[in-house]
Amino acid sequence: GQQLNQSPQSMFIQEGEDVSMNCTSSSIFNTWLWYKQDPGEGPVLLIALYKAGELTSNGRLTAQFGTTRKDSFLNISASIPSDVGIYFCAGHTDSWGKLQFGAGTQVVVTP
Amino acid sequence: EAGVAQSPRYKIIEKRQSVAFWCNPISGHATLYWYQQILGQGPKLLIQFQNNGVVDDSQLPKDRFSAERLKGVDSTLKIQPAKLEDSAVYLCASSFSGDTQYFGPGTRLTVL
Repeated sequence: GQQLNQSPQSMFIQEGEDVSMNCTSSSIFNTWLWYKQDPGEGPVLLIALYKAGELTSNGRLTAQFGTTRKDSFLNISASIPSDVGIYFCAGHTDSWGKLQFGAGTQVVVTP
Repeated sequence: EAGVAQSPRYKIIEKRQSVAFWCNPISGHATLYWYQQILGQGPKLLIQFQNNGVVDDSQLPKDRFSAERLKGVDSTLKIQPAKLEDSAVYLCASSFSGDTQYFGPGTRLTVL
């Protein structure tokens, strides 16, 4: 079946540093989504990507839909304390297909 | 625009008891999803509704889990009887076009 590999599993960074994480799939995806989940809350959508090669920004966040359609990347620039949380990649092979999630990247920001 | 609503936020029960969760999706969203999220993992889809019909319930443990969406809006997910391994966060999500899903805050279930 489909598998999403998300890395790194966790990151400990200093405030102001940039963060990069990625996700790879064993199958071709039509959509890649990036979510952030705070403790005790549901995942919040950060960025949605719909086309191979697409590069989309949301404030200090930038995500890219890989050209092979089997990977995606998320970058956070100039991290701040509120960036702490777990970031999940997710994707599916068609609009009505099952959304597959990565295991998450835990980001810890130290002052 | 109001987001996806879920209740209760927390529930503690003993094994073999039953429990029900409620979800109200974003207005106008025809597709509704229930996910199970075990600590340290990403959400796993349990069931997907399109209006009041089931699209995918392949990962729903049907011997103990059931879900319904009678009028194509609100939905309930029930577990009967609960097992220890059902301890998890149960997330509801909704979507207008099927490609982007928006999540509610979840219900944290603890089975003792």
